[in-house]
Amino acid sequence: NAGVTQTPKFQVLKTGQSMTLQCAQDMNHEYMSWYRQDPGMGLRLIHYSVGAGITDQGEVPNGYNVSRSTTEDFPLRLLSAAPSQTSVYFCASSPRSLETQYFGPGTRLLVL
Amino acid sequence: SQQGEEDPQALSIQEGENATMNCSYKTSINNLQWYRQNSGRGLVHLILIRSNEREKHSGRLRVTLDTSKKSSSLLITASRAADTASYFCATIYSGGSNYKLTFGKGTLLTVNP
Repeated sequence: NAGVTQTPKFQVLKTGQSMTLQCAQDMNHEYMSWYRQDPGMGLRLIHYSVGAGITDQGEVPNGYNVSRSTTEDFPLRLLSAAPSQTSVYFCASSPRSLETQYFGPGTRLLVL
Repeated sequence: SQQGEEDPQALSIQEGENATMNCSYKTSINNLQWYRQNSGRGLVHLILIRSNEREKHSGRLRVTLDTSKKSSSLLITASRAADTASYFCATIYSGGSNYKLTFGKGTLLTVNP
């Protein structure tokens, strides 16, 4: 199993540009989530999904959209990038419960 | 707001010594988890302790939970240079969404060879 994969590993955007961060898992996990990690802030939950077709907001959802059309994929969309969205983004998945989350390697995003 | 807060923010020890990190939280929880993050990598789950448990062991890791004080500690015994990483506690609120795991800001552990 590849586990949780994220692409790209690194991305530079200009303010106002849009992009999609990809996340995929091959463990048939129902629960998937997106976090952002900023220096000194720990991880903050952006959006999460408890199954295909079901998504909900986390702690810091503004500026981000998600969808979950399949169990495997959970893309994160930035519609109009802002410098405040410069961060490292982690995708995670887990079985039905949140007792163990499996994290991807992260996407480092720089918005100029 | 962040649920868990780790203490200390940074800890530097010699190889072979024990490392203790603490986590405090604000409201009742269902369970508390500890994760490790090596520099530039994703987080790795270490151990989970439920609200009705007081102590749990996994290899060189020992976790305690004191719900009356709303605190937990992670002890790493006989530390190795490979234990150098950031350590985060994460909690699931009781009475809230069972799908929101809230992380603290982490403790950076440096183990010097």
